[in-house]
Amino acid sequence: GENVEQHPSTLSVQEGDSAVIKCTYSDSASNYFPWYKQELGKRPQLIIDIRSNVGEKKDQRIAVTLNKTAKHFSLHITETQPEDSAVYFCAASGGSNYKLTFGKGTLLTVNP
Amino acid sequence: EADIYQTPRYLVIGTGKKITLECSQTMGHDKMYWYQQDPGMELHLIHYSYGVNSTEKGDLSSESTVSRIRTEHFPLTLESARPSHTSQYLCASSWASDGYTFGSGTRLTVV
Repeated sequence: GENVEQHPSTLSVQEGDSAVIKCTYSDSASNYFPWYKQELGKRPQLIIDIRSNVGEKKDQRIAVTLNKTAKHFSLHITETQPEDSAVYFCAASGGSNYKLTFGKGTLLTVNP
Repeated sequence: EADIYQTPRYLVIGTGKKITLECSQTMGHDKMYWYQQDPGMELHLIHYSYGVNSTEKGDLSSESTVSRIRTEHFPLTLESARPSHTSQYLCASSWASDGYTFGSGTRLTVV
């Protein structure tokens, strides 16, 4: 089955800096890669996703890049703000397997 | 508003009791999932369903059971609650190969 590794497990940045979270996956058939943000006490929410026919996708301050050859994808947050503080999860799915395999999460702290 | 709803939000129950956690979605999604999550920690898949009358066990061994008699409804049942079942349970749904929408969760405490 699919295995998703996520790094780092914790990340602390100063407000205004950029943050990068990286994930690798094992199944070359995977073709859908979403990212979720979970604030304290809240439900995980989809913030951006990318499919394997695209190398990069951007939405305001967040962007995701995908390298299919190396089987890794990354979340980039620019100009971080305190409200970006949360746990971020990457995930992968594909082929006939619709269920997502999640990474273990990254706790991002943005210090004012 | 189209969303996914979980009840109850919080539940404290004694050991040995039978409980059912409710999950309903109004988005017309065909696929539904149950995850167990300790606060801020990994999401562990315990059950999933790709359609009516179709259920599968997930990656995390669980003593719970599920049913999918209606598209919009995916309840999870614990026949005999134990303190080790204390956790947060998140329900999610999706359409085809799209991303999940999660419910707000049920925080279960077994005393």
